[in-house]
Amino acid sequence: DTAVSQTPKYLVTQMGNDKSIKCEQNLGHDTMYWYKQDSKKFLKIMFSYNNKELIINETVPNRFSPKSPDKAHLNLHINSLELGDSAVYFCASSQGWGGTDTQYFGPGTRLTVL
Amino acid sequence: AQSVTQLGSHVSVSEGALVLLRCNYSSSVPPYLFWYVQYPNQGLQLLLKYTSAATLVKGINGFEAEFKKSETSFHLTKPSAHMSDAAEYFCAVRHGSGNTGKLIFGQGTTLQVKP
Repeated sequence: DTAVSQTPKYLVTQMGNDKSIKCEQNLGHDTMYWYKQDSKKFLKIMFSYNNKELIINETVPNRFSPKSPDKAHLNLHINSLELGDSAVYFCASSQGWGGTDTQYFGPGTRLTVL
Repeated sequence: AQSVTQLGSHVSVSEGALVLLRCNYSSSVPPYLFWYVQYPNQGLQLLLKYTSAATLVKGINGFEAEFKKSETSFHLTKPSAHMSDAAEYFCAVRHGSGNTGKLIFGQGTTLQVKP
């Protein structure tokens, strides 16, 4: 009965590979997010979807492509992985995208690019 | 532009002592403010949030924070630290109008609790 789940939890891969991270929420929320946490624990938003529509697209390399097949899922596909992509990626969801809406975070996916 | 500054990347307290984690924000419009906690190898969990109602906000696990507009601060406190409070704490600000929904995080403060 996990609220926001991500798979895989750990991902180790070689430079140049393509990989995907999946996120699912069972809270019935309309909005989902992807965040990147770097090695210094700094958290930054990458993307946000509301009802499957992209509403936030930060300055992220176009090697990163989010896909939302339905409101409960937001996947992150990364092409041509680079060393600098190594980080922890968090998925989150909220009821709406208003200022007071609480975001609920998944457990994170630790990506290591060798 | 919005920003959040957490003073002190590392705070160490003794068990039973007062916990004070500092957060100052910058926002051109009335902000919504949040404190999240991250336990090792876990995701973030909301502790409390300020949404322009009461300036003193009570959260989970005995934490509270006070919004002080004159000082542009939203410091997190807990009267008596417990070993289980050891974690990373993040302050975050969100645009008051909510039309972008972008949460801006501070750099985090690691709380160490000594026995």
